[in-house]
Amino acid sequence: NAGVTQTPKFRILKIGQSMTLQCAQDMNHNYMYWYRQDPGMGLKLIYYSVGAGITDKGEVPNGYNVSRSTTEDFPLRLELAAPSQTSVYFCASDSQGNTGELFFGEGSRLTVL
Amino acid sequence: AQSVSQHNHHVILSEAASLELGCNYSYGGTVNLFWYVQYPGQHLQLLLKYFSGDPLVKGIKGFEAEFIKSKFSFNLRKPSVQWSDTAEYFCAVITSSNTGKLIFGQGTTLQVKP
Repeated sequence: NAGVTQTPKFRILKIGQSMTLQCAQDMNHNYMYWYRQDPGMGLKLIYYSVGAGITDKGEVPNGYNVSRSTTEDFPLRLELAAPSQTSVYFCASDSQGNTGELFFGEGSRLTVL
Repeated sequence: AQSVSQHNHHVILSEAASLELGCNYSYGGTVNLFWYVQYPGQHLQLLLKYFSGDPLVKGIKGFEAEFIKSKFSFNLRKPSVQWSDTAEYFCAVITSSNTGKLIFGQGTTLQVKP
């Protein structure tokens, strides 16, 4: 049982490049989330999904897109990378969505130069 | 807007010292409260939670937290810290008007000196 798996763990991008952060969970959880963590700022919610085919914006969605074609996968796409998107990104899942008991992936550290 | 505030950004303690990390939230309705911990190089994991009932909740590794509704607080405590408690600690809340979206505080970095 792998839990929540994120790839890649590290990535360096040039300004304007695009990339997708992958997230997969094998716990059959309906709710999935993408957070970004910046020093001294805690975690900010980017996007979330309450089930396959349903996504919604969080606090800081600008510059990102998501899709949820299956229960297992919730990729996060950066279309035109900017230095402000340098951060650590965490994917998480929750079986019911209103418990707050999130299972987190190990994080993806992204640097935009 | 709903928010969570952690007052201590960086705490340094010696082993065996007592710990209290402050957490306050801004919301007048029903809340579920959490403390998450992130050990160096690891992902976040749940330390303890409060949904209802006894306002003093106990979590893993000897941590406890007390919910004081009148003060909108959920402070984390441990009577005697260990070097292995060195980590970043996050307070978080889900409110009845924001179901499904966990709001995190800024985090507190705890450094325990052996």
